Amino acid sequence: SQKIEQNSEALNIQEGKTATLTCNYTNYSPAYLQWYRQDPGRGPVFLLLIRENEKEKRKERLKVTFDTTLKQSLFHITASQPADSATYLCALVGRNAGKSTFGDGTTLTVKP
Amino acid sequence: KAGVTQTPRYLIKTRGQQVTLSCSPISGHRSVSWYQQTPGQGLQFLFEYFSETQRNKGNFPGRFSGRQFSNSRSEMNVSTLELGDSALYLCASSWGGDIQYFGAGTRLSVL
Repeated sequence: SQKIEQNSEALNIQEGKTATLTCNYTNYSPAYLQWYRQDPGRGPVFLLLIRENEKEKRKERLKVTFDTTLKQSLFHITASQPADSATYLCALVGRNAGKSTFGDGTTLTVKP
Repeated sequence: KAGVTQTPRYLIKTRGQQVTLSCSPISGHRSVSWYQQTPGQGLQFLFEYFSETQRNKGNFPGRFSGRQFSNSRSEMNVSTLELGDSALYLCASSWGGDIQYFGAGTRLSVL
């Protein structure tokens, strides 16, 4: 069955360091992959989208990579700040299905 | 531009009752998706409506249903509520189905 796994439920890092979050999937052929941020009591907020034929995307301090051979996406936040503390979700959309399938999320805490 | 609006924000019901949740998408967006979020199961896809037609459906029992109106507003209904239906229900709208804009959700508690 299709499965999406995000590395560790929680990630703690020091301010200024780079946070790296992982999203692995199995039995899936995604057309594209997305990363969302969710704060407590709020709905997810879209951050980045990367298509199957793209290797890397950047937006300000954010960078996402997509390796369809490894079936993995990495999400990087450089020069992290306490305000980056939140839960980050990856979502896959398959070629044959219009629905998004979300991972369980990784809760990032950036300590000052 | 106003964001996605979900009403009500909080709801308390008892087992066996039914509930209707409402979602107003961003103006111009024709796709509306519904998700259930719980600590144990994460974000689970319920269904998606596009131009008043259900385009995709998740693996939820028939007690969960939805509809979309001509103005793209959508409602979700859960009949015969069970304790396990307690969750945050999220609605997301998009123009074409890719980037989704989420509402703040409706927190449903079933007692």
